[in-house]
Amino acid sequence: NAGVMQNPRHLVRRRGQEARLRCSPMKGHSHVYWYRQLPEEGLKFMVYLQKENIIDESGMPKERFSAEFPKEGPSILRIQQVVRGDSAAYFCASSTKTGGQETQYFGPGTRLLVL
Amino acid sequence: AQSVTQLDSHVSVSEGTPVLLRCNYSSSYSPSLFWYVQHPNKGLQLLLKYTSAATLVKGINGFEAEFKKSETSFHLTKPSAHMSDAAEYFCVVSDLGGYQKVTFGIGTKLQVIP
Repeated sequence: NAGVMQNPRHLVRRRGQEARLRCSPMKGHSHVYWYRQLPEEGLKFMVYLQKENIIDESGMPKERFSAEFPKEGPSILRIQQVVRGDSAAYFCASSTKTGGQETQYFGPGTRLLVL
Repeated sequence: AQSVTQLDSHVSVSEGTPVLLRCNYSSSYSPSLFWYVQHPNKGLQLLLKYTSAATLVKGINGFEAEFKKSETSFHLTKPSAHMSDAAEYFCVVSDLGGYQKVTFGIGTKLQVIP
């Protein structure tokens, strides 16, 4: 059973470009979470999605960031018009169901560098 | 509301000596608590979790943690450090109420000296 997959592992963008980060949850998992890890900081929750639904996006910046989890295919975190401050590691996690006892399994992350 | 405080940003131990990584939490509900480890440029790996069963939780690689409600603590320990334990460790709290939304501590970097 493959773990959570993220691609690309490393992404370099120039200011103003778009970044698309992909996350394929573990097989059988229908809940996806995105986190951002800024240098020297812990992980910060961004968004929680189920298939075709955004459940909680309270951690997402109001502009330029969006996320989706379509019926088919991976979850996508999209950052438009990137700025240097978007440089960070973005982690995706998945779980079988929600609820405090359910373990989230993390992918290896995508490290975004904005030049 | 929930929060996590990792009391030490850096911990340095000699190989073969005990490890103690401290974590305090606050939660409005009965929390679930987790410890994750992150090796350099790697993803996060679950070490152990507490979910209201036994208060002493054993995890992988010889780590364990004890849930102490009176102290609102969930410290991570290991009797004898190994060089491969050098990594960053995150304490995580998740409320049982509603859907799962976890809060991460800022992390503790563990250095193991040969």
